[in-house]
Amino acid sequence: NAGVTQTPKFQVLKTGQSMTLQCAQDMNHEYMSWYRQDPGMGLRLIHYSVGAGITDQGEVPNGYNVSRSTTEDFPLRLLSAAPSQTSVYFCASSLTDGNDEQFFGPGTRLTVL
Amino acid sequence: DQQVKQNSPSLSVQEGRISILNCDYTNSMFDYFLWYKKYPAEGPTFLISISSIKDKNEDGRFTVFLNKSAKHLSLHIVPSQPGDSAVYFCAASATGANSKLTFGKGITLSVRP
Repeated sequence: NAGVTQTPKFQVLKTGQSMTLQCAQDMNHEYMSWYRQDPGMGLRLIHYSVGAGITDQGEVPNGYNVSRSTTEDFPLRLLSAAPSQTSVYFCASSLTDGNDEQFFGPGTRLTVL
Repeated sequence: DQQVKQNSPSLSVQEGRISILNCDYTNSMFDYFLWYKKYPAEGPTFLISISSIKDKNEDGRFTVFLNKSAKHLSLHIVPSQPGDSAVYFCAASATGANSKLTFGKGITLSVRP
């Protein structure tokens, strides 16, 4: 099993550009989530999904979109990148919900200029 | 408003001694608590959890204590090893909210050989 994979590992964008961060898991987990980690801020939940076709907002959803068309994939879209979105992004998955052990991907380091 | 607080940003202990990492929460609806460990340039990994119906949970060298009346939990690592040097995040969730996790800011633990 590859676990949770994220691409790309690093990305530099200009303000206003859009992009999609990819996340995939091969553990047949129902629950998937996206977090951002900023210095001194810990991990903050952006969006999450409890199963294919179902998504919901977390603590900091503004500026991001998600969709869950398959169990395996949970992409995060930045619609119009802003410097405030410079961060490290982690995708995670767990069997049923957030209380289960969440398996995190290695992260994507995004810089918006 | 920070609902999960890890007020000490760092902790340094001697190898073989006990490490005590503290966490406080303000939301009385939280009933499940987890600790995650993170090494640089990697995603967090699950360490240990505790339900509010318990006041202690032990897994090898790691023990989590929960004091519901004080809204306080602590992670004890005995004995501490250099490989335990990492950032430790406390997280909490409330039943029925799809168990969305709220993370603290993290504590950087350094174990000196």
